[in-house]
Amino acid sequence: TQLLEQSPQFLSIQEGENLTVYCNSSSVFSSLQWYRQEPGEGPVLLVTVVTGGEVKKLKRLTFQFGDARKDSSLHITAAQPGDTGLYLCAGAHAGGTSYGKLTFGQGTILTVHP
Amino acid sequence: KAGVTQTPRYLIKTRGQQVTLSCSPISGHRSVSWYQQTPGQGLQFLFEYFSETQRNKGNFPGRFSGRQFSNSRSEMNVSTLELGDSALYLCASSSDRGLAKNIQYFGAGTRLSVL
Repeated sequence: TQLLEQSPQFLSIQEGENLTVYCNSSSVFSSLQWYRQEPGEGPVLLVTVVTGGEVKKLKRLTFQFGDARKDSSLHITAAQPGDTGLYLCAGAHAGGTSYGKLTFGQGTILTVHP
Repeated sequence: KAGVTQTPRYLIKTRGQQVTLSCSPISGHRSVSWYQQTPGQGLQFLFEYFSETQRNKGNFPGRFSGRQFSNSRSEMNVSTLELGDSALYLCASSSDRGLAKNIQYFGAGTRLSVL
């Protein structure tokens, strides 16, 4: 079974604080994506990481892919109320029976209070 | 470029009925995947279609089926609806080229409520 453990499940912080969300698996992924989802909408792609050890920055968001491509983290600096939402990590495996299938973590519900 | 479009956005059905959901992928994308999202189970993969063929299937009963048309548009059907089928159904499309084939772009979803 290809599982992706995401933590924490819930995060409630004050504006200006920093936070990190983790995704861990025993499986190796060919790539890993991070999405953000607003209530009643579909997930919106934030970033894709494909190389072990890769670090990508998107304004105040920093994404890291583990060296072994089994884990990833999302770090937000100086969180703002607009960052509030559900954050999802999703791993992709190489071809074959994995066509079109992403394995999702359970998600992290982030609430940033003004 | 238009994104993934799902219709309808909301559906209310009763137990035992059947339902058909529609998805139009991003222009040029030939792979369409379907997911079910519930608060308890999160996002779970239903199936994937490419060039009108189902290439992959998740662990859902046979009541869940789908198809893809020559223009890459896809439909999924759920027959004999059960209360537990209430969920947000998400469609995602992706390119079939290199690493981009793993990058999925999602529609807004169809919220299905079974009464």
